[in-house]
Amino acid sequence: AQSVTQLGSHVSVSEGALVLLRCNYSSSVPPYLFWYVQYPNQGLQLLLKYTTGATLVKGINGFEAEFKKSETSFHLTKPSAHMSDAAEYFCAMNNFNKFYFGSGTKLNVKP
Amino acid sequence: GAGVSQSPSNKVTEKGKDVELRCDPISGHTALYWYRQSLGQGLEFLIYFQGNSAPDKSGLPSDRFSAERTGGSVSTLTIQRTQQEDSAVYLCASSYVSGQGSEAFFGQGTRLTVV
Repeated sequence: AQSVTQLGSHVSVSEGALVLLRCNYSSSVPPYLFWYVQYPNQGLQLLLKYTTGATLVKGINGFEAEFKKSETSFHLTKPSAHMSDAAEYFCAMNNFNKFYFGSGTKLNVKP
Repeated sequence: GAGVSQSPSNKVTEKGKDVELRCDPISGHTALYWYRQSLGQGLEFLIYFQGNSAPDKSGLPSDRFSAERTGGSVSTLTIQRTQQEDSAVYLCASSYVSGQGSEAFFGQGTRLTVV
């Protein structure tokens, strides 16, 4: 079955600390993977995506994610959190031209 | 248009009334999705249209919910006899099916409040 799992519905970090948001997937074929961000009262916007090639993908606002096939993971990281990073983050997978979304992780950044 | 457009942006309706939510996808995008996001919750898949194929309706929560996509473009999500638990933000997304992992583009959503 195709699915995306995000561990931790809420993550809290201090400003300047490392951000790590976890995503694991289940797929019968090589997946296309995405991270989206949703700021309050807004729609979702793409942060980054992995299709083929380099497994470390860089996105907007200093975020990056690494595709690890052996671990079926696509964790999102940022070396230093900023207050403006506070938002909800969704991991997604595209298989057979259909999207599957994780349940989301709300990131809180403490001053 | 440049992006996915949803209308209305906000809708307040009385319990028991029917509502229609509209989604204009990006031109040329053959895939269209509807999701529901209740307060404090993640994305709940409702329905998926892909080209001329039969839609995947597996996420519709009850037979009060229906959706159609006319001419492979505009989509309308209809909720009949609305209930208070239908209050949520309804998000539409579209994508270009290329086999190369095209991303989904989201609209700003319609915030539905049933009073």
